[in-house]
Amino acid sequence: DIQMTQSPSSLSASVGDRVTITCRASQSITTSLNWYQQKPGKAPQLLIYAASRLQTGVPSRFSGSGSGTDFTLTITNLQPEDFATYYCQQNYNTPGTFGQGTKVEIK
Amino acid sequence: EVQLVQSGAEVKKPGESLKISCKGSGYSFTSHWIGWVRQMPGKGLEWMGIIYPGDSDTRYSPSFQGQVTISADKPISTAYLHWNNLKASDTAMYYCARPMRAGTIDAFDIWGQGTMVTISS
Repeated sequence: DIQMTQSPSSLSASVGDRVTITCRASQSITTSLNWYQQKPGKAPQLLIYAASRLQTGVPSRFSGSGSGTDFTLTITNLQPEDFATYYCQQNYNTPGTFGQGTKVEIK
Repeated sequence: EVQLVQSGAEVKKPGESLKISCKGSGYSFTSHWIGWVRQMPGKGLEWMGIIYPGDSDTRYSPSFQGQVTISADKPISTAYLHWNNLKASDTAMYYCARPMRAGTIDAFDIWGQGTMVTISS
């Protein structure tokens, strides 16, 4: 299996901050990397697919970058509704492993 | 509207069997893979397996191979996750999810609402 490692596991930030979450794959996955947001008691929602493509309806303050093994999710101008847990996931091959998650909390 | 609707919460005893369901609507059910994702209480997402209803091609994570069975019933557009011998460690929320593009295992853009499974003696 391809292992996906996210960092940090959690972070505290304020409204208006810029937040960066990283995800590293144990081998090259080209750009087969997705980002999801999950709020408590809810199903995950797709934010970014193919490393940098914004899912329809997702605010433009979310962006993704990277290729190969190293990827980044950036949230600019953090909003109150962005406090949630974020997961990366590779779909380069099966099983489509997820990272362990990054919880973004209010400072 | 494209949606996946899952069956309701279940409470079972260790050793019992269980099948939970995920009904797709608003799209061609046989043209898209459907995956299952586990989330244990307070933990992260785990990719369990995925099925292509068109031909029943099924892939499992090694972590779940032999522990669960994934199936699909094309005429009623429903996918299933089945256990034969439940354990307390199977207590979790289970989500079904559909990849974006037909015939491709890519990002999950449609998710079911989740089915909570509780195993307790």
